[in-house]
Amino acid sequence: EAGVAQSPRYKIIEKRQSVAFWCNPISGHATLYWYQQILGQGPKLLIQFQNNGVVDDSQLPKDRFSAERLKGVDSTLKIQPAKLEDSAVYLCASTSAMEQYFGPGTRLTVT
Amino acid sequence: AQSVTQLDSQVPVFEEAPVELRCNYSSSVSVYLFWYVQYPNQGLQLLLKYLSGSTLVESINGFEAEFNKSQTSFHLRKPSVHISDTAEYFCAVNTGFQKLVFGTGTRLLVSP
Repeated sequence: EAGVAQSPRYKIIEKRQSVAFWCNPISGHATLYWYQQILGQGPKLLIQFQNNGVVDDSQLPKDRFSAERLKGVDSTLKIQPAKLEDSAVYLCASTSAMEQYFGPGTRLTVT
Repeated sequence: AQSVTQLDSQVPVFEEAPVELRCNYSSSVSVYLFWYVQYPNQGLQLLLKYLSGSTLVESINGFEAEFNKSQTSFHLRKPSVHISDTAEYFCAVNTGFQKLVFGTGTRLLVSP
């Protein structure tokens, strides 16, 4: 089966610009996650969706980050405006039973 | 709140030597524990998991981990490492509702 797809793989923007990332989970997986992984750290959960509803967004900086999963399948994560500290890899994952499957990630560099 | 501690940020080892990557967790509830591996410029891949049953779990490429409830540990071991095992390894605990909390990772560096 196809894995979790993410695009773009790399993105370089200037601070105060906006950026969007896309994720398509494994077919049939109802739960989707967005993580932020800063260099040298473990992934940190930003938001968790169950179908098209938000389960947990307690660590999402809502003043600048937004995410949606309108039809319960693919999802978009947006940052507007970006800050230097947003430089990180953004990972998308989806779940079957107790196992999370991760996409390759999007490496964001904010200059 | 659940948390995961990986004390070793980097572990250098020679090829064919044994290795242990340490992981300790804190949790007030029953836990499910995971080890993920991340190769350069790739996403995380599940290496092995403990959900219930036998406290010793194994992966297909020779790694094993043992769940120790009294010491709240889930250390990862391999008796003989290969160059291709060079990667970042993350320990994670399931906090309920299918959410994971990750440790800060251990970089395994295998040299010839």
